Amino acid sequence: DTEVTQTPKHLVMGMTNKKSLKCEQHMGHRAMYWYKQKAKKPPELMFVYSYEKLSINESVPSRFSPECPNSSLLNLHLHALQPEDSALYLCASSQWPGQQEQFFGPGTRLTVL
Amino acid sequence: QQQVKQSPQSLIVQKGGISIINCAYENTAFDYFPWYQQFPGKGPALLIAIRPDVSEKKEGRFTISFNKSAKQFSLHIMDSQPGDSATYFCAAFVQGAQKLVFGQGTRLTINP
Repeated sequence: DTEVTQTPKHLVMGMTNKKSLKCEQHMGHRAMYWYKQKAKKPPELMFVYSYEKLSINESVPSRFSPECPNSSLLNLHLHALQPEDSALYLCASSQWPGQQEQFFGPGTRLTVL
Repeated sequence: QQQVKQSPQSLIVQKGGISIINCAYENTAFDYFPWYQQFPGKGPALLIAIRPDVSEKKEGRFTISFNKSAKQFSLHIMDSQPGDSATYFCAAFVQGAQKLVFGQGTRLTINP
């Protein structure tokens, strides 16, 4: 298995909802990443997990809460989001922390009403 | 210094032509330069990458040219096909920060 999977593909939520995005990889990679991508813009790094521990938080608002339950799984918990948080949320993984090759999932298209 | 500047923003090429996208950087600490291809509604896919000790790398129709002294690198797509129509991002890797720094992207359209 050489891919990163993300669920759901699409998500619509209200500003008072709580929802979660899920990312999974079975490549044995020990670094996982969350990115946010707005339309016609490059991906922006949000969080990095190294060996299941949060190693980088790019000053992301607390309404985004990442979680790494095990080495294959990465979640992003969403609460009290704003309409401007609507974007494509991408998960990526690399074989180990600091390894340059990152493999991206297909993303979750999030719309906040 | 952490920026990667990419040009052009958009590019239209006839089928069979050569597509050329350019990137420039300032930070000499970058040590890995990948190109990603992204189709609408999909995640970026690693296309080809180069390290600064190499001046050129070719994989099929895709070639990266790297000029270390000018701090520039470019992607050449030979015999461009309509299926190559996508957004292309150059990037540079900051080893210590574990971070990919992306260019702003180029929307490439190949006309049949």
